[in-house]
Amino acid sequence: GEDVEQSLFLSVREGDSSVINCTYTDSSSTYLYWYKQEPGAGLQLLTYIFSNMDMKQDQRLTVLLNKKDKHLSLRIADTQTGDSAIYFCAERHAGNMLTFGGGTRLMVKP
Amino acid sequence: DGGITQSPKYLFRKEGQNVTLSCEQNLNHDAMYWYRQDPGQGLRLIYYSQIVNDFQKGDIAEGYSVSREKKESFPLTVTSAQKNPTAFYLCASSTPEDSNQPQHFGDGTRLSIL
Repeated sequence: GEDVEQSLFLSVREGDSSVINCTYTDSSSTYLYWYKQEPGAGLQLLTYIFSNMDMKQDQRLTVLLNKKDKHLSLRIADTQTGDSAIYFCAERHAGNMLTFGGGTRLMVKP
Repeated sequence: DGGITQSPKYLFRKEGQNVTLSCEQNLNHDAMYWYRQDPGQGLRLIYYSQIVNDFQKGDIAEGYSVSREKKESFPLTVTSAQKNPTAFYLCASSTPEDSNQPQHFGDGTRLSIL
């Protein structure tokens, strides 16, 4: 079966960088996504990376992809209290089907 | 604005009762999905539909049923056969698989047992 794994929890101080890691198993995944979920809400797409890319930067967000190790990371620069949420990585399979990690809860301390 | 609307936001079910969760989208997406989220866990796929009048079981379909009579609508019924229905239910939609666009999500329905 396919498993996407993330650490459960990350705590950082406001202004520091946050790095959320994810490992996936399907080497044929075309896209990998990062979603953000605030309490009681749905999932909001943050960013995505195509499988033939190593890095993608979008304002405060940097996504790194290591295909050899099937490792994906999301770096949030200058983390703010509004970044506190659960972050999910997801790998895309044929038919636009997604497999989600269990989510990483990011807590930002003032 | 285009989007996905789930209703109600909160729903309570009595023992032995079926309840239906609504999901409507005006994004003109062909595919729609239902996920279940339990506290501290990721999303698990219940059912999905790639086109009108067709749908497939996901990983945890037992105790649930769906219909897809219109492109815009994909209601989920939680039947009395689902013995542990308390969870957060998320609906999503997407364009065909040759697009780079991801799944878009509604704001969810929280179902609890009375």
